[in-house]
Amino acid sequence: ETGVTQTPRHLVMGMTNKKSLKCEQHLGHNAMYWYKQSAKKPLELMFVYSLEERVENNSVPSRFSPECPNSSHLFLHLHTLQPEDSALYLCASSQGLGTANTGELFFGEGSRLTVL
Amino acid sequence: SQKIEQNSEALNIQEGKTATLTCNYTNYSPAYLQWYRQDPGRGPVFLLLIRENEKEKRKERLKVTFDTTLKQSLFHITASQPADSATYLCALSTGGFKTIFGAGTRLFVKA
Repeated sequence: ETGVTQTPRHLVMGMTNKKSLKCEQHLGHNAMYWYKQSAKKPLELMFVYSLEERVENNSVPSRFSPECPNSSHLFLHLHTLQPEDSALYLCASSQGLGTANTGELFFGEGSRLTVL
Repeated sequence: SQKIEQNSEALNIQEGKTATLTCNYTNYSPAYLQWYRQDPGRGPVFLLLIRENEKEKRKERLKVTFDTTLKQSLFHITASQPADSATYLCALSTGGFKTIFGAGTRLFVKA
């Protein structure tokens, strides 16, 4: 396996379901990210973990709950979502700590989420 | 607030021509500017990074310029091919973990 792997690629859930998105990076990077991409809108940064510690939390509703058990794995736990949460959820990783991080991101293929 | 604008939502060009995509930004002083390619239903793929003290960067048929006075970057694809058809995203970073993205320009290269 190479790069950044996301599962599942597609997910359909009802508003009362609980599900999780999984991301694994095989690049030896020390930071991992969740971005949300809605149609015709810029990518929105949701969460960032650096060395397994959350360093960014961009006013994301509590129905999204991230988890980073180690530097290679990142989860996004989903609970009581709304239809407007339907989007492509992208995981990314990067190397470099603090300001040494140039912001160059390596993305997974995304998880397409549909909330009914 | 910080804003990134990419010149147009879509750009149509003929195969063999040079495609030029524009990225303008306001209320921001980035240390790094990046360009990504995104195909439908796929994640973005990093193409090029240029630093604030660099004017130009090239990689094969790609060229990026960065003008911090105009607050603008131009992204050129020379000798464009139908396989270059994709959405191209401009992204900015001050260093650190907060990279912000433009909405992208969809490029269509016609054979």
